[in-house]
Amino acid sequence: QFQVVESGGGMVQPGTSLRLSCVASGITFNSYGVHWVRQAPGKGLEWLAVIWDNGNDKYYGDSVKGRFTVSRDDSKDTVFLQMNSLRIDDTAVYFCARGFNYGYLTHWGQGTRVAVSS
Amino acid sequence: IVMTQSPLSLAVTPGEPASISCRSSQSLLYSNGYNYLDWYLQKPGQSPQLLIYLGSHRASGVPDRFSGSGSGTDFTLSISRVEAEDVGVYYCMHTLESPLAFGGGTKVEI
Repeated sequence: QFQVVESGGGMVQPGTSLRLSCVASGITFNSYGVHWVRQAPGKGLEWLAVIWDNGNDKYYGDSVKGRFTVSRDDSKDTVFLQMNSLRIDDTAVYFCARGFNYGYLTHWGQGTRVAVSS
Repeated sequence: IVMTQSPLSLAVTPGEPASISCRSSQSLLYSNGYNYLDWYLQKPGQSPQLLIYLGSHRASGVPDRFSGSGSGTDFTLSISRVEAEDVGVYYCMHTLESPLAFGGGTKVEI
C-alpha cells in the first residue's frame, strides 16, 4: 500500500517561513510531477505549485509566486515546499500529490495544517 | 484560465442520475485532440481522489457510473445512478498549462 505523507505544518506568525516536506513510500516520485494543493478552512481546492519530473521546471500559482519555492530530492523520494513571507490568508491544509507534469493527480497525502496568526 | 462550476450544490436521490457542469475561460482542447481537464471528488474528511482525466478517461478503480464528456470550454461530469458513497465535493481542474486551476467545487448530497 502506498503512502504520501506531508509534514512540517504548524502555527506561525505573519512574515515568517515554514518548510513543508512530502515523502512517498510504497511508490516513487521519480519520473513523476509532484504538485502542491491547499485548502483554506471551509473553502475549495487551490493549486499552488508543481515540480516536474526533471526537477528543473517549476511553476507556481499567482498567489504564491515569489514567496513559495518547490524542490525535490529524488534520492529520498521527497519534495519540499519552502514558504516565505507567510500571510494570514496562507492558513490552510496543504496537500501534495503525485501526478504527471500536467495534472493526473493520482496519489494524495492526507495534508498538513498551516495556521498563520499573530 | 478560470474554471467555473455549476451548480454550487446538488441534492440527489440514490439511483437517480446527476450531472455537474464545468466551464473554462479558454479552450482546453490541445492540438493532440485531448482535452486537458481532470475531475476530482473530495469525500467528507478525506483527500481528493482522481475520477476522470483528459476530459473523459476514467481513472483506475473508478466505477463506470462516472463519466466525463465535453470539449473545448464546456464539460460535464455525469453519474448514471448516484450511490450514497458519492457524496462530497466535486472539482474540475484544467491541466492545459501552468498555473493549473480548480473550479470552485460542487457539493453533492443525498
